Amino acid sequence: EVQLVQSGAEVKKPGESLKISCKTSGYSFNTNWIGWVRQVPGKGLEWMGVIYPSDSDVRYSPSFQGQVTISADKSITTAYLQWSSLEASDTAIYYCAKPTNGAPDYWGQGTLITVSS
Amino acid sequence: QSVLTQPPSVSGAPGQRIIISCTGSSSNIGAGYDVHWYQQLPGTAPKLLIYANSHRPSGVPDRFSGSKSGTSASLAISGLRAEDESDYYCQSYDTGLSVWVFGGGTKLTV
Repeated sequence: EVQLVQSGAEVKKPGESLKISCKTSGYSFNTNWIGWVRQVPGKGLEWMGVIYPSDSDVRYSPSFQGQVTISADKSITTAYLQWSSLEASDTAIYYCAKPTNGAPDYWGQGTLITVSS
Repeated sequence: QSVLTQPPSVSGAPGQRIIISCTGSSSNIGAGYDVHWYQQLPGTAPKLLIYANSHRPSGVPDRFSGSKSGTSASLAISGLRAEDESDYYCQSYDTGLSVWVFGGGTKLTV
């Protein structure tokens, strides 16, 4: 059974750093793209980027290039999303998702990030 | 401003049929990239409803159907039920941005 289990909710202050995780199981992690999707409360879905764990090829959406870092650890089949300096506008729910032929068919449960002073 | 354009809201009575449109351009849907549809119930992760324009994953009722033509795609829901009340999103790939993109979402009220 394919599972994507994300780390828990976080409350951070502006300027702080953060790394959230997505632990996967039940499929070949190395040879499948995995990505991150942002959803600001009350708003729509936005693709942030995807990574191919086998060679760490990362593709960022232009809106998120330089704002976040996507990485993966093949040894523990886990994907990561990190910020070096959070802003209030980063407050959102972040989902990891595994696309098959471009369509995310498995999703994590979501991680709520709240950035507030 | 989303790359794929959806109506913000649609509504229908129980038992009726509704259609949600998704309009793109020559750099995404019109370039031949597949369109996928998701249902997102309040407080939950999105669920894949239709993939590759018109295919239903196992477990999705045949009341849901998808189609694509030119630079647009559509999701049709027939025999509307109260539990269909949800947000619906289309998604495709954009060759100009070199990334997957979502529509802005459509809120269905039954």
